[in-house]
Amino acid sequence: QKEVEQNSGPLSVPEGAIASLNCTYSDRGSQSFFWYRQYSGKSPELIMFIYSNGDKEDGRFTAQLNKASQYVSLLIRDSQPSDSATYLCAVTPSNFGNEKLTFGTGTRLTIIP
Amino acid sequence: EPEVTQTPSHQVTQMGQEVILRCVPISNHLYFYWYRQILGQKVEFLVSFYNNEISEKSEIFDDQFSVERPDGSNFTLKIRSTKLEDSAMYFCASNGEDGYTFGSGTRLTVV
Repeated sequence: QKEVEQNSGPLSVPEGAIASLNCTYSDRGSQSFFWYRQYSGKSPELIMFIYSNGDKEDGRFTAQLNKASQYVSLLIRDSQPSDSATYLCAVTPSNFGNEKLTFGTGTRLTIIP
Repeated sequence: EPEVTQTPSHQVTQMGQEVILRCVPISNHLYFYWYRQILGQKVEFLVSFYNNEISEKSEIFDDQFSVERPDGSNFTLKIRSTKLEDSAMYFCASNGEDGYTFGSGTRLTVV
């Protein structure tokens, strides 16, 4: 069974601080890694994807991937109340982009004003 | 910005009835998917569809489920005889060069 594990939270972070979200995956053959944001009752919204080991930055968001440790993380800098949501980690087995996504259970993040 | 459209947004049905959930994927995308999310649980893959046939399906996608692309734009998920445990959000997604895009979902409630 290929699993994606996340701490369900809730994770509470003061406004303006850095939020750190973590994810581990069991399938060592996984190649593509995604972070989605999901507001209650809404569909997942893509924040970032990463394929290579190391860091990838996009605005206030940084994704970090360590394939040897089978670990991917998301950092949110200068956290805003609008960042309060559930963050879903998802993986696929290839870089082709046409594969199914395997999701974690998500981490609920609350930004405290 | 192109989007995946799902209808209806909410469907209530009696146990044992057939339901059809509809999706219009992004027009130049070639890969289509259905996922579901039971309340409070994770998003689960149901089925993927490419070149007018199923390319992969999960254990959840049993004989009660079917998918169809009846014309050049619609992509449907049919549940033949709904059970209480089919109550969930159903998300359609399509994938192309610009990546995965999810629809806004259909909330299915089986009573």
